[in-house]
Amino acid sequence: EPEVTQTPSHQVTQMGQEVILRCVPISNHLYFYWYRQILGQKVEFLVSFYNNEISEKSEIFDDQFSVERPDGSNFTLKIRSTKLEDSAMYFCASSPTSGRAGSGELFFGEGSRLTVL
Amino acid sequence: AQKVTQAQTEISVVEKEDVTLDCVYETRDTTYYLFWYKQPPSGELVFLIRRNSFDEQNEISGRYSWNFQKSTSSFNFTITASQVVDSAVYFCALSRGAAGNKLTFGGGTRVLVKP
Repeated sequence: EPEVTQTPSHQVTQMGQEVILRCVPISNHLYFYWYRQILGQKVEFLVSFYNNEISEKSEIFDDQFSVERPDGSNFTLKIRSTKLEDSAMYFCASSPTSGRAGSGELFFGEGSRLTVL
Repeated sequence: AQKVTQAQTEISVVEKEDVTLDCVYETRDTTYYLFWYKQPPSGELVFLIRRNSFDEQNEISGRYSWNFQKSTSSFNFTITASQVVDSAVYFCALSRGAAGNKLTFGGGTRVLVKP
């Protein structure tokens, strides 16, 4: 069964460093997402991406963050100048459908745990 | 704005007991979708069910059942005859029926099933 894959599963970085989290969405999906879950808290929406551009972003997704689909298969989240409070599990998701025809379920990856020291 | 409230932060039961997880949502959309996800200790998010706002039929899948009450904006989840493997955090989520599938999650309910 197709699945969303994320790398790395766990990354430890020093405060101020740049981090890139990578995701390979399911191949025929059209929408891509990043969500964040700080330890013990709810899962929060960061950004959605469609047709090679951001379709929606939350207030969390400030200039420190960027997303890219560099090669038609990977979908990356870059965090510049990491802060301690960026420590969280980051989930990538993809979805095959959207629009008035219906809201398909999101298929989540297993997450990338980021620890900022 | 959309909001999902899971008032129970943690529920502890003994194996074989039934457990019901509450979910109350707020939305101004007339078309929307409700979801339940399971997050086991390993951390991944596992899809359990999707329900659209026009379908208020209750659903049963094995030991899982869902009760959608549009009149009270609730979408409750019951695990019948719980097992230790059901121990996890369960999230209720809401998305708009219009373009864009952004999910708004509730705070989650941790279920601990003791043998």
